Amino acid sequence: AQSVTQLDSHVSVSEGTPVLLRCNYSSSYSPSLFWYVQHPNKGLQLLLKYTSAATLVKGINGFEAEFKKSETSFHLTKPSAHMSDAAEYFCVVSEGLTGGGNKLTFGTGTQLKVEL
Amino acid sequence: DTAVSQTPKYLVTQMGNDKSIKCEQNLGHDTMYWYKQDSKKFLKIMFSYNNKELIINETVPNRFSPKSPDKAHLNLHINSLELGDSAVYFCASSHALIDRGKETQYFGPGTRLLVL
Repeated sequence: AQSVTQLDSHVSVSEGTPVLLRCNYSSSYSPSLFWYVQHPNKGLQLLLKYTSAATLVKGINGFEAEFKKSETSFHLTKPSAHMSDAAEYFCVVSEGLTGGGNKLTFGTGTQLKVEL
Repeated sequence: DTAVSQTPKYLVTQMGNDKSIKCEQNLGHDTMYWYKQDSKKFLKIMFSYNNKELIINETVPNRFSPKSPDKAHLNLHINSLELGDSAVYFCASSHALIDRGKETQYFGPGTRLLVL
């Protein structure tokens, strides 16, 4: 079974400083990995996804993530945090389904706090 | 136009009642999903439907019955509501087999259910 582990439940940064949200995965084959963001009382929005093409994936709002097979990691980064980045971030591994679609397995989430 | 919509947004009800949540997507997707997010923000898939057929039922109690009248709709009916059913329920949709395992799922805004 595939799984993801988010190593930090809370991360706090100052506005304008870099963001690093850590995620490790476990999979018996090459995984498809996603990062989703959830702002307070909102739905989930896709930030970026890795699907075995380029290992450095660029997403929306200046976020990017690097797939490192040797470290089984897919950490999310942003060079400079903005107040609007404060939210819950989920690392997700995806498994294709025979009947169609895919099954997402979510990490436990990292709450990002951005301070002035 | 909202891509994935859910009604109602909030639902407060008494234990033992029966309630329904509706979901509609206008993205032309074949696959739709229901997820449950608990009080610790952990997200877990409940059901997946592809072209009106059930694909996944993740050991959800049979008090929960999804119904898909057509590809664009997936409703969730819950019988005999219990305190533990209090959660946020998210609907999502994706393409089915265009890019197996790598499809992006688009989420609705969520339905916040509180059982008293």
